[in-house]
Amino acid sequence: AQTVTQSQPEMSVQEAETVTLSCTYDTSESNYYLFWYKQPPSRQMILVIRQEAYKQQNATENRFSVNFQKAAKSFSLKISDSQLGDTAMYFCAFMNLRAGRRALTFGSGTRLQVQP
Amino acid sequence: EAQVTQNPRYLITVTGKKLTVTCSQNMNHEYMSWYRQDPGLGLRQIYYSMNVEVTDKGDVPEGYKVSRKEKRNFPLILESPSPNQTSLYFCASSLTWSGVETQYFGPGTRLLVL
Repeated sequence: AQTVTQSQPEMSVQEAETVTLSCTYDTSESNYYLFWYKQPPSRQMILVIRQEAYKQQNATENRFSVNFQKAAKSFSLKISDSQLGDTAMYFCAFMNLRAGRRALTFGSGTRLQVQP
Repeated sequence: EAQVTQNPRYLITVTGKKLTVTCSQNMNHEYMSWYRQDPGLGLRQIYYSMNVEVTDKGDVPEGYKVSRKEKRNFPLILESPSPNQTSLYFCASSLTWSGVETQYFGPGTRLLVL
């Protein structure tokens, strides 16, 4: 079974600054995907970025990028030029490709507050 | 607009009174899934469906039922709700079960069982 750990329950950053959210995972699988989802106060779950485990290159989506360290089982999210709209709960998630059900295993989340 | 819809968005009920939370997607997705979200636990999968008439248990299926009679709909049924089923529920869908396409989430249903 997989586990996903987010060790930072809450974080705060000033607008326009950069912040990094941590995520570690534990798995014996070699073929998997990792995701970061954002949950704003509206409670909608929104995909931020995803990373294929077989790819060494870190994924990037505009102001969002990841630092994927496969050997260390670490998957951190960096948000550059933070904006007020980035205030949300952020979840790291793991998907085992070998399991047919395609379930996402989520961490407990990190609440990010962007200060003006 | 491509979306996953859930109804109702908020529900207060009493122990033992059967209820159904509907989920519908308009993207012709094969794969649909239900999750529940509880504080400090993230989201956990309840049930999933790979296609019409194909459903299976996730990590926390006890107390829940599902059905998939049509491709677009995947209702979650609580036959006899109990207070420990008070939670925030999300329906999700993706194009196929065999790939790793993005899972699209509905807006969530907040359920309180008294």
